[in-house]
Amino acid sequence: GEDVEQSLFLSVREGDSSVINCTYTDSSSTYLYWYKQEPGAGLQLLTYIFSNMDMKQDQRLTVLLNKKDKHLSLRIADTQTGDSAIYFCAEVGSGGYNKLIFGAGTRLAVHP
Amino acid sequence: GAVVSQHPSRVICKSGTSVKIECRSLDFQATTMFWYRQFPKKSLMLMATSNEGSKATYEQGVEKDKFLINHASLTLSTLTVTSAHPEDSSFYICSGTSGPGEQFFGPGTRLTVL
Repeated sequence: GEDVEQSLFLSVREGDSSVINCTYTDSSSTYLYWYKQEPGAGLQLLTYIFSNMDMKQDQRLTVLLNKKDKHLSLRIADTQTGDSAIYFCAEVGSGGYNKLIFGAGTRLAVHP
Repeated sequence: GAVVSQHPSRVICKSGTSVKIECRSLDFQATTMFWYRQFPKKSLMLMATSNEGSKATYEQGVEKDKFLINHASLTLSTLTVTSAHPEDSSFYICSGTSGPGEQFFGPGTRLTVL
């Protein structure tokens, strides 16, 4: 079945880069997403990448996609304390464009 | 960007009572709305998909008679937790979409059943 896996925790120093990794199983996924969730809040879409792309950069965020290995990563440059949150990777499930399959989320802790 | 609101943001109820949670798309018409449940430190689990004017499609293992979903208009969907029990306590999040592509998420509703 469809599955998305992420490491659960990442701790980085303020100013360093953070890299959050994700693996997925559905090779037919056309879109892959990264969402951010702050404590007690809903999800905020950070960025997404089409499956025919290898990389997408958006300011401090860089998404890398390795379709062969079904591996997705999110790099946050110059990580700030405001980046502390849970980051979810999601792929579009077989239910269509709108059905998302989420990973368990990676909790990013940024310390001084 | 598109905004989705949820009401209430937090609710506490007694065991055996029913609770209704509203999800509204404020600046777009959501032809499809999704309801998710999130357990502490866990991912979002899709409960059901609702299309405006038709019955919701529930995921496997989700009791449709317990979690009633209504999507009567393009801007409003409601989730009613009937005869709530402590194990129903959770964070419920809705999202809306107007077509293929991005889902816009609400801020979530924390339900606590005593």
